Amino acid sequence: RKEVEQDPGPFNVPEGATVAFNCTYSNSASQSFFWYRQDCRKEPKLLMSVYSSGNEDGRFTAQLNRASQYISLLIRDSKLSDSATYLCVVSPSYGKLTFGQGTILTVHP
Amino acid sequence: GAVVSQHPSWVICKSGTSVKIECRSLDFQATTMFWYRQFPKQSLMLMATSNEGSKATYEQGVEKDKFLINHASLTLSTLTVTSAHPEDSSFYICSAGTSGGYNEQFFGPGTRLTVL
Repeated sequence: RKEVEQDPGPFNVPEGATVAFNCTYSNSASQSFFWYRQDCRKEPKLLMSVYSSGNEDGRFTAQLNRASQYISLLIRDSKLSDSATYLCVVSPSYGKLTFGQGTILTVHP
Repeated sequence: GAVVSQHPSWVICKSGTSVKIECRSLDFQATTMFWYRQFPKQSLMLMATSNEGSKATYEQGVEKDKFLINHASLTLSTLTVTSAHPEDSSFYICSAGTSGGYNEQFFGPGTRLTVL
């Protein structure tokens, strides 16, 4: 079993749509959780950290369920510029990041 | 945010040559740097963790004699791919962590290596 598993995608949605990504992780001792986005042939960039209480940043909402070892990302009112690969990232120990395989999102006009 | 640079951004070399990739933290001191590799349509895989002034810690399956890592200062780490072969062609990305207690890494722009 992979350490971090994500929806395989790809997701193709129209502008303005709401889209949700899911992720599960296998190491119950994991300490930190993140969503990164990666544009084609670029480095990953931190989108947001994920906390047990849930957190929101504009159109993006992230949730963490430690009991189910499940992480989600919700994007509301999708923009063309949201098209990217979204990486679920788990930190099993301080400083070490484990990446999911990524979910490709394409937002079309 | 913190800035990390990598050089070169892309390199094409012949099989059997060695390639050195530099990773620099430009506006902060990075006590720890990480080296990742990403093959097409796959996610980033951690290769090694590099701490300033000490030997790097390699992930299982990564040959330390093939991927030489040097972290001589708080702002520079280098990865040398020795005797590169076509199967080493990949996107190599470094990241740097700060020591402030917040578990965030800042990624360099990556180096695309093609071995002919």
